[in-house]
Amino acid sequence: GESVGLHLPTLSVQEGDNSIINCAYSNSASDYFIWYKQESGKGPQFIIDIRSNMDKRQGQRVTVLLNKTVKHLSLQIAATQPGDSAVYFCAGRDSNYQLIWGAGTKLIIKP
Amino acid sequence: SQTIHQWPATLVQPVGSPLSLECTVEGTSNPNLYWYRQAAGRGLQLLFYSVGIGQISSEVPQNLSASRPQDRQFILSSKKLLLSDSGFYLCAWSAGGSNQPQHFGDGTRLSIL
Repeated sequence: GESVGLHLPTLSVQEGDNSIINCAYSNSASDYFIWYKQESGKGPQFIIDIRSNMDKRQGQRVTVLLNKTVKHLSLQIAATQPGDSAVYFCAGRDSNYQLIWGAGTKLIIKP
Repeated sequence: SQTIHQWPATLVQPVGSPLSLECTVEGTSNPNLYWYRQAAGRGLQLLFYSVGIGQISSEVPQNLSASRPQDRQFILSSKKLLLSDSGFYLCAWSAGGSNQPQHFGDGTRLSIL
């Protein structure tokens, strides 16, 4: 079946450094991807999305890169701050137009 | 602006008891609505989605049901809870049309004893 998965369950980053969270997907027909941030005890919060006709999209301190050739996308967070500590999920739209979710990467910020 | 409300935030129920979780959306019309379950440390599993009043699609066979009695109200129910129904339940909405992000409530932590 279709799947979306993150490469690492945990990522530790020094405060002030850039963070890169990676995600792979299986369905080459997926045309829409989203990144979410989830803090403990809360619902996922939308960060940024990207359509398959784009390779890159930037937001405030975040950039999403999409490589359709290898079915990979990444979320880059610039100048990581303590408030960025959370679990990050990527999700891709499947052939039924619903989101398939990865298992999440926990981002830990070291002071 | 649009807001989504879920309640209660936490719930402890005995096995075999009924369940009703409610979700309401404000500030938008005719949203797509979703119920998800999230196991600890895992991604989200879609349970139900609705594109309009009275229209419910179920993604997985289970002990739960959903209803949409009003445009911006989505209810998750069970007649008899099982231990395996424990989890974190999340409601979400999105605008109609394709390629729209989903926006989530803060969830209900359900514990079955």
